[in-house]
Amino acid sequence: EAGVAQSPRYKIIEKRQSVAFWCNPISGHATLYWYQQILGQGPKLLIQFQNNGVVDDSQLPKDRFSAERLKGVDSTLKIQPAKLEDSAVYLCASSYLLAVETQYFGPGTRLLVL
Amino acid sequence: KQEVTQIPAALSVPEGENLVLNCSFTDSAIYNLQWFRQDPGKGLTSLLLIQSSQREQTSGRLNASLDKSSGRSTLYIAASQPGDSATYLCAVRPRGTSGSRLTFGEGTQLTVNP
Repeated sequence: EAGVAQSPRYKIIEKRQSVAFWCNPISGHATLYWYQQILGQGPKLLIQFQNNGVVDDSQLPKDRFSAERLKGVDSTLKIQPAKLEDSAVYLCASSYLLAVETQYFGPGTRLLVL
Repeated sequence: KQEVTQIPAALSVPEGENLVLNCSFTDSAIYNLQWFRQDPGKGLTSLLLIQSSQREQTSGRLNASLDKSSGRSTLYIAASQPGDSATYLCAVRPRGTSGSRLTFGEGTQLTVNP
């Protein structure tokens, strides 16, 4: 079974530029999560989708971050404009249902904002 | 607000030693607690998931316990090996939140020396 795929793996941009990350969850997984992990910290949930609907985006900085999950499969996370403090690893995860199962994580996209 | 703390932040042990990693959380109203492993430059791998009604879970050399009333969990690793070197994260799924948001600790960086 293929795991969660993410691209790109690394991205370097200058502040005020825009950037987008892509995630393809495990086939059949209805729930998709985006986390931000700043160096030395645990991941923090940014947004959670159930199929193509948003379940929880309470910790998403909506003035600069946006995410979508068209057709309930792939998802993109965008930052516009980026700030220095956005430097982090962005992790995508998926799970079968919105319940108590394990979340499966992708390898992450490492973003450096200069 | 749920807070998760992991002690110690870093641990270095010789190969073959048994060790315990600690996790504490401030609000006992949780659905479950998970232990993850994170290797450098990679995503998270779920090791063990303990439902709130359970006391412990075991997988191979790993044993995780949960004392919900005191807000504590431990991950016991028996006969440690150099391949166990990684960062170990615990995460709780609080009750009363929308979706299935996980709240993570900052992790314990484990080094097992040959």
